[in-house]
Parts: sequence; structure tokens; C-alpha cells
Amino acid sequence: NAGVMQNPRHLVRRRGQEARLRCSPMKGHSHVYWYRQLPEEGLKFMVYLQKENIIDESGMPKERFSAEFPKEGPSILRIQQVVRGDSAAYFCASSPPGIGRGIGQPQHFGDGTRLSIL
Amino acid sequence: DQQVKQNSPSLSVQEGRISILNCDYTNSMFDYFLWYKKYPAEGPTFLISISSIKDKNEDGRFTVFLNKSAKHLSLHIVPSQPGDSAVYFCAASARLTGGGNKLTFGTGTQLKVEL
Repeated sequence: NAGVMQNPRHLVRRRGQEARLRCSPMKGHSHVYWYRQLPEEGLKFMVYLQKENIIDESGMPKERFSAEFPKEGPSILRIQQVVRGDSAAYFCASSPPGIGRGIGQPQHFGDGTRLSIL
Repeated sequence: DQQVKQNSPSLSVQEGRISILNCDYTNSMFDYFLWYKKYPAEGPTFLISISSIKDKNEDGRFTVFLNKSAKHLSLHIVPSQPGDSAVYFCAASARLTGGGNKLTFGTGTQLKVEL
């Protein structure tokens, strides 16, 4: 879907385990975003990253969640000591830099990772 | 605190007729608005956007209207086709440091186009 690649598509974890979700942005896109969708809700912003930098993490829970976008390789969303409430669909999106005057570019989404916690 | 609202969870339209999906927002700082279409088990697909300085943007069968004074936007699809059946999300964009933008999504409207 639009070239943003997420894996795995489905991830099952037991409570207390760690979950690692990966995202490779579209070619040429330097901005990566992570969103979470709970059942019957819209997508909620979590974090915005550029290469080697977390730019805005205002939507990330304060504990157990972290994200990175290293110089080489995909962006990773890491959830430590998962709990049942972490069950959700996690979507990654990417965009190129905005066009002057800070005008944003549409974000293009991957097909998501469905995380289930047993 | 739901800054973007889609008050109709579902809409059913006959093939060939017009579909109108509505969205309301509360934050005047949003600088542009987008519509995404989503099929089950897939990610949202970008459809069309509109800057806050415009009141209309058209792309083929899709037109988005923005009424800033009412903080309301709508997506018109005409003519509607069965393949348009999906969940439609309205999203509002706010700029972030670093040149990116944060999207705030509504809860979606399930559109069903019937033969």
C-alpha cells in the first residue's frame, strides 16, 4: 500500500513480553510517523521521527514505548512488557519534507501491524 | 477531547448517486485537511486534501469543500461506485517542528455503495 512496508503484519505476544514493529518508509521519504488504532476508533498520532532523531513524541505513552529511526535500516516501534491494552493496529506513515512555508505533504501509510496480547 | 468528529458512523448510497461525507473540527490551528479511504486489513489510502486557505478542491469524482467559519468540511463522491465502499477518515493537519505534520483523525464513516 503506497510503498510503505511494515512487518510483521500480525504479531502475537504474551503479557510481559516485548513487541518490535518495523517500518520501511517509501523511497525518498525522510519523515516517519507512527499511529495507533484501537477498535472502533480513528488513528491516533504517537511519534514523528527523522533519521536518527525523534522530532515529536507527544502521543507516546510515557512508559514502555520507544521509537527509533536509525541511519541505516527501518524505523522500529518497541513496546516493552506488553499488556492487554496494547492490543491494537499500529500504522506507520511516511512523507517527503514539506513544500516551503512549512506546508505538509500527505502521509502515505503502510498496511499496519496487528498486535494481539494474550 | 475529540478535535475531529465524523458524526455519521455509516452511510448507504445507491450506485451512480452522490455520496456526501461530513467532518467537523474544533481547532483553528489546523492548516490543511485530508481524506483517507481504508479497506479492511489495509492501511489508509490518501484521497484528496485541501489547504485551510481554500474552500474547494476537486480531483476527478472527488471534491472536498471547506467551510472555515463553520469548522466543517465535506467529501463529495459523484457518481458513487461499488468500489468506493470502504471506511472514510477525515484528518486534520497541524505543523510540527522539523517540517513534518501531525494528523488528527476522525473515527471514520463506513460508506456502502449499493447496486
